[in-house]
Amino acid sequence: KAGVTQTPRYLIKTRGQQVTLSCSPISGHRSVSWYQQTPGQGLQFLFEYFSETQRNKGNFPGRFSGRQFSNSRSEMNVSTLELGDSALYLCASSPPGTLNTEAFFGQGTRLTVV
Amino acid sequence: GENVEQHPSTLSVQEGDSAVIKCTYSDSASNYFPWYKQELGKRPQLIIDIRSNVGEKKDQRIAVTLNKTAKHFSLHITETQPEDSAVYFCAASIGGKIIFGKGTRLHILP
Repeated sequence: KAGVTQTPRYLIKTRGQQVTLSCSPISGHRSVSWYQQTPGQGLQFLFEYFSETQRNKGNFPGRFSGRQFSNSRSEMNVSTLELGDSALYLCASSPPGTLNTEAFFGQGTRLTVV
Repeated sequence: GENVEQHPSTLSVQEGDSAVIKCTYSDSASNYFPWYKQELGKRPQLIIDIRSNVGEKKDQRIAVTLNKTAKHFSLHITETQPEDSAVYFCAASIGGKIIFGKGTRLHILP
């Protein structure tokens, strides 16, 4: 069974631009969560999607948005990029069933804003 | 909002000794507490988890304890080995939302 796949692996963008990151969950997983990882701040929760609906949201500004498609693939968009948005963005998918269960992480997309 | 505090941020132990990492959480409704290990350049991976109806869980050299009254939980690694060197994250989950601590960098000294 293929794992969680994130594309692209690396991105370099200029301040003020926007970016879209993609996440393909493990087959059969319907929950997809996104996290921002920076040194010293750990893994910060962005949002979680389940069956094309945003079910949970973290404390990030509205420049961060996401969506989920009918095949459970998810995209995350960041508009008006700032230098502080440079980070590793991880997505994770969880199997169906109970709400709280193991999250399987992708390799991440390393975003650098210059 | 929900918050998870994790201590220490860095921990060095002699190979063969035990390591303990402690976490506290703020939302008393949290009912699932996973621990993830992240090796350098790799993705986080689940090493053990515990649900709120259990006080302790053990898997070989790794154990986790949970005190719901005090809202804290701990990871215990016994007989540490070089491959245990990594960053460890605790987390608390409610309704599909997983909040992570800031991580503990564990160094195993030869």
